[in-house]
Amino acid sequence: DAKTTQPNSMESNEEEPVHLPCNHSTISGTDYIHWYRQLPSQGPEYVIHGLTSNVNNRMASLAIAEDRKSSTLILHRATLRDAAVYYCILRDVPNSGYALNFGKGTSLLVTP
Amino acid sequence: SQTIHQWPATLVQPVGSPLSLECTVEGTSNPNLYWYRQAAGRGLQLLFYSVGIGQISSEVPQNLSASRPQDRQFILSSKKLLLSDSGFYLCAWSVSMPGEQYFGPGTRLTVT
Repeated sequence: DAKTTQPNSMESNEEEPVHLPCNHSTISGTDYIHWYRQLPSQGPEYVIHGLTSNVNNRMASLAIAEDRKSSTLILHRATLRDAAVYYCILRDVPNSGYALNFGKGTSLLVTP
Repeated sequence: SQTIHQWPATLVQPVGSPLSLECTVEGTSNPNLYWYRQAAGRGLQLLFYSVGIGQISSEVPQNLSASRPQDRQFILSSKKLLLSDSGFYLCAWSVSMPGEQYFGPGTRLTVT
């Protein structure tokens, strides 16, 4: 899978929107952009994924740049429960191996 | 809805002792199953995956083994634990390979 780059940490106030960036300049045309998060002492949790168009679900929104070299996970109103490590992962659907390469992710701190 | 169970939640075992961790999935048939390990301060490492009963593939050579005796049951075993086997063990499932993976609550293993 192609490499992603994320900031090590970010901080947000509760009830404010959070924009978590991810750079993937070597993305290929068949790479899907997946986001997972891992709360402390829990297993990772699937958040959202997309290919070219922006995506929304009940948890978050995913904004994908027109050239697909970057994307942003948007939490519309951060809560204390959103404090977690967020992982941006590229998945080449036809050719991917079976492992999810989580990397180091972005540690999000949410303050009251 | 689908549910994934893992037990035990925590385990402390001496070096050289055997290990058996169990994972079961409810609410889906013929899932793809995965065992991951997360060592302290490190990313997730895929250990084994299975696409069907009795079909096990290993990603990393080690003193661990996996078995899938039933469609929705995945077992991780060791005959003799090493100190380096300590970590957070996570079971996951997916419908398609590759696709979104859904993780269990994990087992925290400490080898003393």
